[in-house]
Amino acid sequence: NAGVTQTPKFRVLKTGQSMTLLCAQDMNHEYMYWYRQDPGMGLRLIHYSVGEGTTAKGEVPDGYNVSRLKKQNFLLGLESAAPSQTSVYFCASSRDYRDSPLHFGNGTRLTVT
Amino acid sequence: RKEVEQDPGPFNVPEGATVAFNCTYSNSASQSFFWYRQDCRKEPKLLMSVYSSGNEDGRFTAQLNRASQYISLLIRDSKLSDSATYLCVVNGDDKIIFGKGTRLHILP
Repeated sequence: NAGVTQTPKFRVLKTGQSMTLLCAQDMNHEYMYWYRQDPGMGLRLIHYSVGEGTTAKGEVPDGYNVSRLKKQNFLLGLESAAPSQTSVYFCASSRDYRDSPLHFGNGTRLTVT
Repeated sequence: RKEVEQDPGPFNVPEGATVAFNCTYSNSASQSFFWYRQDCRKEPKLLMSVYSSGNEDGRFTAQLNRASQYISLLIRDSKLSDSATYLCVVNGDDKIIFGKGTRLHILP
């Protein structure tokens, strides 16, 4: 039982390049989330999904896109990376929205130069 | 008033001491509450849920005070390995809100 798995763990991009971060969970959770964490800012929600085929914007969605084609996977895309997107990205999943805790992946450290 | 507030610390506490910190929340309709632990450059990990009646897990005790709208975490007999950032999380009807965390340093 791996829980929540994120790939890659580290990535360096040049401004304007694109990439996709993959999140996979094996707990059959309906809800999945993408957060970014910057020093002094805490965790900020980028996008989330309440089930297969659904996505919704979070607090800081600009510059990112997501897809949830399969229940177990939640992809985060950066179409044209900017230095402001240098951050640590965490994926999380939960059984439901109100009463269940979040389970986090190990994170992806992204640097955009 | 911020939705969820925590004292950022750091709390510098000698090994073996008891330490407590609080987290206040603004939405009285909030429904569930959690404490997470985050080590430097790692993902947040669930420490414990917080129940209305209070709950204990080993050296850790969590309390919820709905009237005053805060949750608390008490750590007894603190260990060096307890050094971390502690995040409170408040779930409401339409959002999950993370506090920015309280840093705890246990001193040998």
